[in-house]
Amino acid sequence: QKEVEQNSGPLSVPEGAIASLNCTYSDRGSQSFFWYRQYSGKSPELIMFIYSNGDKEDGRFTAQLNKASQYVSLLIRDSQPSDSATYLCAVNEGGNQFYFGTGTSLTVIP
Amino acid sequence: EPEVTQTPSHQVTQMGQEVILRCVPISNHLYFYWYRQILGQKVEFLVSFYNNEISEKSEIFDDQFSVERPDGSNFTLKIRSTKLEDSAMYFCASSKDRTNQPQHFGDGTRLSIL
Repeated sequence: QKEVEQNSGPLSVPEGAIASLNCTYSDRGSQSFFWYRQYSGKSPELIMFIYSNGDKEDGRFTAQLNKASQYVSLLIRDSQPSDSATYLCAVNEGGNQFYFGTGTSLTVIP
Repeated sequence: EPEVTQTPSHQVTQMGQEVILRCVPISNHLYFYWYRQILGQKVEFLVSFYNNEISEKSEIFDDQFSVERPDGSNFTLKIRSTKLEDSAMYFCASSKDRTNQPQHFGDGTRLSIL
């Protein structure tokens, strides 16, 4: 059974702070990693993806991947109230299936 | 920006009836997927479709379910003889040219079984 684990939260950060979201996965052969944002009642929206160890930055978002430790994280700098959502980690092992975590609920407090 | 479109946005059906959920993937995408999300739970993979055939399916995707690409644009999920536990959000997604490419999701169909 391939597991993707996330702390369900809720995680609360003040506006302007850095939000750090973490995800661990069980399949060591996993190859690609995705972060999605999901507002309540809406569909997942792709935020970032990462394939290689290290950091990948896109605007206020940074994805970090450590395959040896089997974790991937998402940092959100200068957090805004509009960032309040559930963040989903998804992992792909090279096949057709994406495995999603249960998501971490983030609240950014104005 | 191109997007995945799904219809209807909400479907209410009596238990035991058949439903068809429709999706129009992004036009230059080659891989298509269906996921479901039961309220408060995680997104679960149902099936992937490539080159007019199922490429992978999960344990959830049993004989009750089927998928079809009836023409060049639509991608459908059929659920035969619906059960109460089929109530969920159903998301269609598509990706470009490799299985590990980012998947883009439609807005979903909320299926309510009475």
